[in-house]
Amino acid sequence: AQKITQTQPGMFVQEKEAVTLDCTYDTSDPSYGLFWYKQPSSGEMIFLIYQGSYDQQNATEGRYSLNFQKARKSANLVISASQLGDSAMYFCAMRREGGNKLVFGAGTILRVKS
Amino acid sequence: DTEVTQTPKHLVMGMTNKKSLKCEQHMGHRAMYWYKQKAKKPPELMFVYSYEKLSINESVPSRFSPECPNSSLLNLHLHALQPEDSALYLCASSQDLIGSAGNTIYFGEGSWLTVV
Repeated sequence: AQKITQTQPGMFVQEKEAVTLDCTYDTSDPSYGLFWYKQPSSGEMIFLIYQGSYDQQNATEGRYSLNFQKARKSANLVISASQLGDSAMYFCAMRREGGNKLVFGAGTILRVKS
Repeated sequence: DTEVTQTPKHLVMGMTNKKSLKCEQHMGHRAMYWYKQKAKKPPELMFVYSYEKLSINESVPSRFSPECPNSSLLNLHLHALQPEDSALYLCASSQDLIGSAGNTIYFGEGSWLTVV
Protein backbone atom coordinates (compact mmCIF):
# COMPACT_ATOMS: atom_id res chain seq x y z
CA ALA A 1 0.00 0.00 0.00
CA GLN A 2 1.07 3.54 -0.64
CA LYS A 3 1.02 6.34 1.88
CA ILE A 4 1.84 10.04 1.75
CA THR A 5 2.66 12.03 4.88
CA GLN A 6 2.68 15.81 5.07
CA THR A 7 3.66 16.74 8.61
CA GLN A 8 3.14 20.51 8.38
CA PRO A 9 -0.55 21.42 8.76
CA GLY A 10 0.28 25.10 8.25
CA MET A 11 3.24 27.22 7.26
CA PHE A 12 3.99 30.94 7.14
CA VAL A 13 6.58 32.54 4.87
CA GLN A 14 7.58 36.11 4.28
CA GLU A 15 7.01 37.45 0.79
CA LYS A 16 10.06 37.02 -1.48
CA GLU A 17 11.57 34.33 0.73
CA ALA A 18 11.87 30.63 -0.14
CA VAL A 19 9.83 27.96 1.62
CA THR A 20 10.02 24.18 1.75
CA LEU A 21 6.91 22.03 2.13
CA ASP A 22 7.65 18.54 3.40
CA CYS A 23 6.39 15.29 1.93
CA THR A 24 7.42 11.76 2.78
CA TYR A 25 6.02 8.66 1.19
CA ASP A 26 5.91 4.95 1.68
CA THR A 27 5.65 2.40 -1.09
CA SER A 28 7.08 -0.96 -2.01
CA ASP A 29 6.65 -0.30 -5.72
CA PRO A 30 9.89 0.24 -7.64
CA SER A 31 8.37 2.63 -10.15
CA TYR A 32 6.14 5.50 -9.13
CA GLY A 33 5.45 9.17 -9.68
CA LEU A 34 5.22 12.00 -7.20
CA PHE A 35 3.09 15.07 -7.77
CA TRP A 36 2.44 18.39 -6.11
CA TYR A 37 -0.82 20.27 -6.47
CA LYS A 38 -1.82 23.75 -5.32
CA GLN A 39 -5.37 24.51 -4.27
CA PRO A 40 -6.29 28.17 -3.68
CA SER A 41 -9.41 29.05 -1.73
CA SER A 42 -11.30 29.19 -5.05
CA GLY A 43 -11.13 25.39 -5.14
CA GLU A 44 -9.26 24.63 -8.35
CA MET A 45 -6.63 21.93 -7.96
CA ILE A 46 -3.62 23.11 -9.94
CA PHE A 47 -0.89 20.68 -11.02
CA LEU A 48 2.53 22.12 -10.18
CA ILE A 49 5.29 19.58 -10.67
CA TYR A 50 6.03 15.89 -11.24
CA GLN A 51 8.97 13.68 -10.27
CA GLY A 52 9.45 10.13 -11.52
CA SER A 53 11.09 7.60 -9.24
CA TYR A 54 13.78 6.86 -11.81
CA ASP A 55 14.49 10.47 -12.69
CA GLN A 56 18.11 11.29 -11.94
CA GLN A 57 17.58 15.00 -11.61
CA ASN A 58 15.24 16.94 -9.39
CA ALA A 59 12.27 18.36 -11.23
CA THR A 60 11.93 22.12 -11.64
CA GLU A 61 9.10 24.26 -13.00
CA GLY A 62 9.71 27.97 -12.78
CA ARG A 63 9.76 28.93 -9.09
CA TYR A 64 8.90 25.38 -8.05
CA SER A 65 11.45 22.66 -7.52
CA LEU A 66 11.15 19.23 -6.05
CA ASN A 67 13.87 18.07 -3.65
CA PHE A 68 13.72 14.34 -4.29
CA GLN A 69 15.64 12.10 -1.89
CA LYS A 70 14.77 8.56 -2.88
CA ALA A 71 16.65 6.79 -0.11
CA ARG A 72 14.85 8.88 2.49
CA LYS A 73 11.56 8.60 0.60
CA SER A 74 11.01 12.32 0.63
CA ALA A 75 9.78 14.66 -2.08
CA ASN A 76 9.77 18.16 -0.65
CA LEU A 77 8.45 21.10 -2.64
CA VAL A 78 10.58 24.22 -2.67
CA ILE A 79 8.97 27.50 -3.67
CA SER A 80 11.45 30.27 -4.32
CA ALA A 81 10.71 34.00 -4.06
CA SER A 82 7.28 33.53 -2.47
CA GLN A 83 4.43 35.69 -3.70
CA LEU A 84 1.15 36.58 -2.03
CA GLY A 85 -0.61 34.50 -4.67
CA ASP A 86 1.20 31.41 -3.41
CA SER A 87 -1.07 31.37 -0.36
CA ALA A 88 -3.02 28.13 -0.76
CA MET A 89 -3.34 24.51 0.31
CA TYR A 90 -0.62 22.28 -1.15
CA PHE A 91 -1.07 18.55 -1.64
CA CYS A 92 1.62 15.97 -2.25
CA ALA A 93 0.43 12.87 -4.10
CA MET A 94 1.79 9.70 -5.61
CA ARG A 95 0.83 7.13 -8.18
CA ARG A 96 2.50 3.83 -8.84
CA GLU A 97 3.44 2.58 -12.28
CA GLY A 98 0.38 0.92 -13.74
CA GLY A 99 -1.77 2.19 -10.91
CA ASN A 100 -5.12 3.80 -11.44
CA LYS A 101 -5.33 5.94 -8.33
CA LEU A 102 -3.66 9.04 -6.97
CA VAL A 103 -2.88 8.83 -3.26
CA PHE A 104 -2.92 12.22 -1.52
CA GLY A 105 -1.33 13.52 1.63
CA ALA A 106 -3.31 15.54 4.16
CA GLY A 107 -2.07 18.84 2.74
CA THR A 108 -0.21 21.89 4.03
CA ILE A 109 -1.76 25.36 4.19
CA LEU A 110 0.77 28.00 3.18
CA ARG A 111 0.30 31.65 4.07
CA VAL A 112 2.56 34.27 2.52
CA LYS A 113 2.94 37.43 4.60
CA SER A 114 3.63 40.85 3.11
CA ASP B 1 -6.39 28.51 -17.31
CA THR B 2 -7.58 24.98 -16.62
CA GLU B 3 -8.47 22.80 -19.60
CA VAL B 4 -11.02 20.93 -17.56
CA THR B 5 -14.15 23.03 -17.22
CA GLN B 6 -16.92 22.41 -14.73
CA THR B 7 -20.42 23.83 -14.43
CA PRO B 8 -22.01 25.13 -12.38
CA LYS B 9 -19.43 26.73 -10.14
CA HIS B 10 -21.90 26.85 -7.27
CA LEU B 11 -25.07 24.83 -6.71
CA VAL B 12 -27.58 24.93 -3.88
CA MET B 13 -30.17 22.17 -3.92
CA GLY B 14 -32.83 20.78 -1.67
CA MET B 15 -32.87 17.19 -0.51
CA THR B 16 -35.67 16.32 -2.91
CA ASN B 17 -34.17 18.02 -5.95
CA LYS B 18 -32.55 16.45 -8.99
CA LYS B 19 -29.56 18.29 -10.41
CA SER B 20 -26.46 17.56 -12.44
CA LEU B 21 -22.84 18.62 -12.41
CA LYS B 22 -21.11 18.83 -15.77
CA CYS B 23 -17.49 18.51 -16.81
CA GLU B 24 -15.76 18.89 -20.15
CA GLN B 25 -12.18 18.42 -21.29
CA HIS B 26 -10.60 19.02 -24.68
CA MET B 27 -7.19 17.48 -24.09
CA GLY B 28 -8.03 14.20 -25.80
CA HIS B 29 -7.79 12.39 -22.49
CA ARG B 30 -9.46 8.99 -22.23
CA ALA B 31 -9.82 8.79 -18.46
CA MET B 32 -12.13 11.08 -16.49
CA TYR B 33 -12.69 11.23 -12.76
CA TRP B 34 -15.05 12.57 -10.12
CA TYR B 35 -13.65 13.46 -6.71
CA LYS B 36 -15.41 14.72 -3.59
CA GLN B 37 -13.57 17.06 -1.26
CA LYS B 38 -14.60 18.23 2.19
CA ALA B 39 -13.10 21.34 3.75
CA LYS B 40 -9.39 21.11 4.58
CA LYS B 41 -9.24 17.46 3.48
CA PRO B 42 -7.67 15.84 0.44
CA PRO B 43 -9.93 14.83 -2.46
CA GLU B 44 -11.60 11.44 -2.29
CA LEU B 45 -12.05 9.43 -5.46
CA MET B 46 -15.66 8.64 -6.37
CA PHE B 47 -15.78 7.38 -9.94
CA VAL B 48 -13.45 6.79 -12.86
CA TYR B 49 -14.35 6.39 -16.51
CA SER B 50 -11.90 4.92 -18.96
CA TYR B 51 -12.71 5.05 -22.65
CA GLU B 52 -16.26 6.08 -21.74
CA LYS B 53 -16.83 3.03 -19.55
CA LEU B 54 -17.16 3.08 -15.79
CA SER B 55 -13.98 1.49 -14.44
CA ILE B 56 -14.03 2.40 -10.78
CA ASN B 57 -16.88 3.08 -8.36
CA GLU B 58 -15.54 3.65 -4.87
CA SER B 59 -18.70 2.35 -3.21
CA VAL B 60 -20.46 5.64 -3.75
CA PRO B 61 -24.16 5.81 -2.69
CA SER B 62 -26.62 5.44 -5.53
CA ARG B 63 -27.92 8.97 -5.02
CA PHE B 64 -24.82 9.91 -7.06
CA SER B 65 -25.06 8.68 -10.64
CA PRO B 66 -22.22 9.29 -13.10
CA GLU B 67 -22.57 9.43 -16.86
CA CYS B 68 -20.03 9.73 -19.65
CA PRO B 69 -21.88 10.71 -22.86
CA ASN B 70 -18.66 10.88 -24.88
CA SER B 71 -14.92 11.04 -24.42
CA SER B 72 -14.98 14.76 -23.62
CA LEU B 73 -17.94 14.96 -21.28
CA LEU B 74 -18.63 13.69 -17.80
CA ASN B 75 -21.75 14.29 -15.77
CA LEU B 76 -22.67 13.62 -12.18
CA HIS B 77 -26.40 13.31 -11.58
CA LEU B 78 -27.56 14.13 -8.07
CA HIS B 79 -30.82 12.99 -6.49
CA ALA B 80 -32.11 12.87 -2.92
CA LEU B 81 -28.87 14.13 -1.47
CA GLN B 82 -28.22 14.69 2.22
CA PRO B 83 -26.74 17.78 3.88
CA GLU B 84 -23.54 15.81 4.55
CA ASP B 85 -23.07 15.54 0.79
CA SER B 86 -22.30 19.25 0.71
CA ALA B 87 -18.73 19.51 -0.57
CA LEU B 88 -16.51 20.58 -3.44
CA TYR B 89 -16.84 18.20 -6.37
CA LEU B 90 -13.82 18.04 -8.61
CA CYS B 91 -13.72 16.65 -12.10
CA ALA B 92 -10.38 15.52 -13.52
CA SER B 93 -8.89 13.85 -16.56
CA SER B 94 -5.72 12.05 -17.58
CA GLN B 95 -4.29 10.59 -20.76
CA ASP B 96 -5.46 7.17 -19.76
CA LEU B 97 -6.29 5.25 -16.64
CA ILE B 98 -3.50 2.73 -16.45
CA GLY B 99 -0.17 3.91 -17.66
CA SER B 100 3.10 5.37 -16.70
CA ALA B 101 3.52 6.78 -13.23
CA GLY B 102 3.83 10.19 -14.85
CA ASN B 103 0.32 10.05 -16.23
CA THR B 104 -0.70 13.37 -14.73
CA ILE B 105 -4.25 13.96 -13.56
CA TYR B 106 -5.51 17.44 -14.36
CA PHE B 107 -8.34 18.90 -12.33
CA GLY B 108 -11.06 21.40 -13.03
CA GLU B 109 -12.08 24.36 -10.91
CA GLY B 110 -14.65 22.35 -9.00
CA SER B 111 -18.34 22.73 -8.27
CA TRP B 112 -19.30 23.86 -4.79
CA LEU B 113 -22.41 21.96 -3.75
CA THR B 114 -24.62 22.88 -0.82
CA VAL B 115 -27.51 20.61 0.12
CA VAL B 116 -30.20 22.27 2.23
